[in-house]
Amino acid sequence: DVKVTQSSRYLVKRTGEKVFLECVQDMDHENMFWYRQDPGLGLRLIYFSYDVKMKEKGDIPEGYSVSREKKERFSLILESASTNQTSMYLCASSFPKDRNEKLLFGSGTQLSVL
Amino acid sequence: DQQVKQNSPSLSVQEGRISILNCDYTNSMFDYFLWYKKYPAEGPTFLISISSIKDKNEDGRFTVFLNKSAKHLSLHIVPSQPGDSAVYFCAATSSGSARQLTFGSGTQLTVLP
Repeated sequence: DVKVTQSSRYLVKRTGEKVFLECVQDMDHENMFWYRQDPGLGLRLIYFSYDVKMKEKGDIPEGYSVSREKKERFSLILESASTNQTSMYLCASSFPKDRNEKLLFGSGTQLSVL
Repeated sequence: DQQVKQNSPSLSVQEGRISILNCDYTNSMFDYFLWYKKYPAEGPTFLISISSIKDKNEDGRFTVFLNKSAKHLSLHIVPSQPGDSAVYFCAATSSGSARQLTFGSGTQLTVLP
């Protein structure tokens, strides 16, 4: 069964910590995305990547960075976590030709920054 | 400024009746629209989509209507079932957007047995 796997379901971190959120997909998708979901705001795009070592900023990249060293893995990095980064983080992937109608999401990581 | 808006945070309907979820957009460049469904503790899953060259797309119990002049789309679920209870997100994209989706804030649908 094809899927997008996020390494942690729940994470609790302290303000100022460096946080790594990992995402792995087993479908050989070129495109990978990181979103955050907040009540009343829906899903907002943080970063995305079309290929290995390539990355593009989304709508809210401030305070985040990403790494894509291998095609199947896309990591989101919070350089110095802050309380306003408490959120549900969702990773997704797709083939380029699908225009995102086949965007497949992981189950999400609920991050709490104290 | 939100380019995709879902003004109803929640909706309750009786089982067997019609559910109508609404979505408005402001960006006239959007030419492809999607609905995703999300259950608690799971990621969103694709439900149905529509291109701007159409005004209706149907898939089983789900139909999406697009009114380009009003920049409005709606999702109809007939008949509604308790298993349809979830958060529904409207999303939009354009040919020149590098395949980025812009999501609405979501509507929590509750179907009462």
